[in-house]
Amino acid sequence: EVQLVQSGAEVKKPGGFLKISCKGSGYSFSNYFTSYWIVWVRQMPGKGLEYMGIIYPPDSDIRYSPAFEGQVTISADTSISTAYLQWNSLEASDTAMYYCAAGPPSYNVLTGYYPYSFHYWGQGTLVTVSS
Amino acid sequence: QSVLTQPPSVSGAPGQRVTISCIGSSSNIGAGYDVTWYQQLPGTAPQLLIYDANNRPSGVPDRFSGSKSDTSASLAITGLQAEDEADYYCQSYDTRLGGSIFGTGTKVTVL
Repeated sequence: EVQLVQSGAEVKKPGGFLKISCKGSGYSFSNYFTSYWIVWVRQMPGKGLEYMGIIYPPDSDIRYSPAFEGQVTISADTSISTAYLQWNSLEASDTAMYYCAAGPPSYNVLTGYYPYSFHYWGQGTLVTVSS
Repeated sequence: QSVLTQPPSVSGAPGQRVTISCIGSSSNIGAGYDVTWYQQLPGTAPQLLIYDANNRPSGVPDRFSGSKSDTSASLAITGLQAEDEADYYCQSYDTRLGGSIFGTGTKVTVL
């Protein structure tokens, strides 16, 4: 059974550093042919889902949404089957629930291999940024 | 950021049929990309409902179905039940943004 387990809730001050994690199990995180893409999704209080970016852990192919490029860093450590989302300088507006999700790569003749759907979701990590 | 537009809310009585629209454009749904639907129950993480246009993961009842036409898609819920009260999101790929996009979300209320 594929599972994604995220790190616990965080309370941080503006300007601080934060790195949250998403540990995968039930599949081969590092195998190029059978792994899943990991996506990070933001949900601000009372709002909808926002795509932040994705990573394919076996080769660290990383793609950011234009809205989040330069604001966060996505990474992964295949030795411990974990993906990360990092902020170097938090702002109050980063207060939100953050979800990771896993999607299988599918082929589209226009855009090649990409996770066009996200099948498995973590439980979410609540990040609160307040002075 | 979202370029997939959904109605903010829909409602129906138990047993009724409701539909949720997801209006996109030529750079996403109209470009031929499939639409995925997620259900988010109150206080929980989203979960996959419909993928590859109209496939359901195991455990999702066949009361849920998806369809797509031109630049829009729809999710239909037949035989509405109290447990269907949740937020629903569509998702696709957008060539202009070079990545996935989510719809604005729809809250389904069972009267």
